Amino acid sequence: AQSVTQPDIHITVSEGASLELRCNYSYGATPYLFWYVQSPGQGLQLLLKYFSGDTLVQGIKGFEAEFKRSQSSFNLRKPSVHWSDAAEYFCAVALPPSGGYQKVTFGTGTKLQVIP
Amino acid sequence: DGGITQSPKYLFRKEGQNVTLSCEQNLNHDAMYWYRQDPGQGLRLIYYSQIVNDFQKGDIAEGYSVSREKKESFPLTVTSAQKNPTAFYLCASSIGQKRASGRADEQFFGPGTRLTVL
Repeated sequence: AQSVTQPDIHITVSEGASLELRCNYSYGATPYLFWYVQSPGQGLQLLLKYFSGDTLVQGIKGFEAEFKRSQSSFNLRKPSVHWSDAAEYFCAVALPPSGGYQKVTFGTGTKLQVIP
Repeated sequence: DGGITQSPKYLFRKEGQNVTLSCEQNLNHDAMYWYRQDPGQGLRLIYYSQIVNDFQKGDIAEGYSVSREKKESFPLTVTSAQKNPTAFYLCASSIGQKRASGRADEQFFGPGTRLTVL
C-alpha cells in the first residue's frame, strides 16, 4: 500500500529565511505527488504537483519542489519565507490509476510557524 | 467564480442526532470526495463518487452516508452510529479519472465544516 511520511510535525523559521519541508513516500513506481497548504480553519489549496517530466516543479506563492526518485522524496522549498506562509502543509501521493479511482494518500502535515 | 462551497461552516450535534453537511461545486467536475480531518492524522477518506448516482466507501465510511443525485452536489450525513463525529470535514472534487486521461487528477477543496458533538 502507498504511504507518505512527513517527518516534521512542526517547524519554526524566521521571516526571510529559507524553508524546506520534507516528504517521503513508499511506493514501487513513481506516484503522482502533490503539496497542499491549509490555513487555520480553511480548506486545502494546491501548491504544486508532479506526475512526469522535469523533476523540479514550480508552484504558486514562490514554492518549488524537487522529486528525487533515488530517495523517494518530494521536498518542498521556498528561498525566502514570508509571515503569510505560516500554515499547515500536506504532502500527498496518488497512484497512477489502473482503470479506476486515483486514490490519494495524505501525509499527517507539517505546521509552519514564521517568527519576525 | 468557480469553486466548491460547504455549509454550514460550524455545526453542532446532539448525541443520537443525524446531521447533513452540504457540498456543492460548479467546476463541472465528475468526481467528488469527503474527508475527515483530525489533528495530527492528516486527511482520511470517508466516501467518494466518480459519477452521478454512484459512490464508494472510503477508508472510514462507518457511521456516514452519502448521495449523489446531481453532478454538482454530494451531501454527507453523519449518523448517530458514528461514535466520535467531532472533526473537521472537507469536501473535494476533481475532473475525474476518465477526463484526466492518465494525468494527475488533482483535487480541489472546499472551506470545510467543523462538526462538534455536544
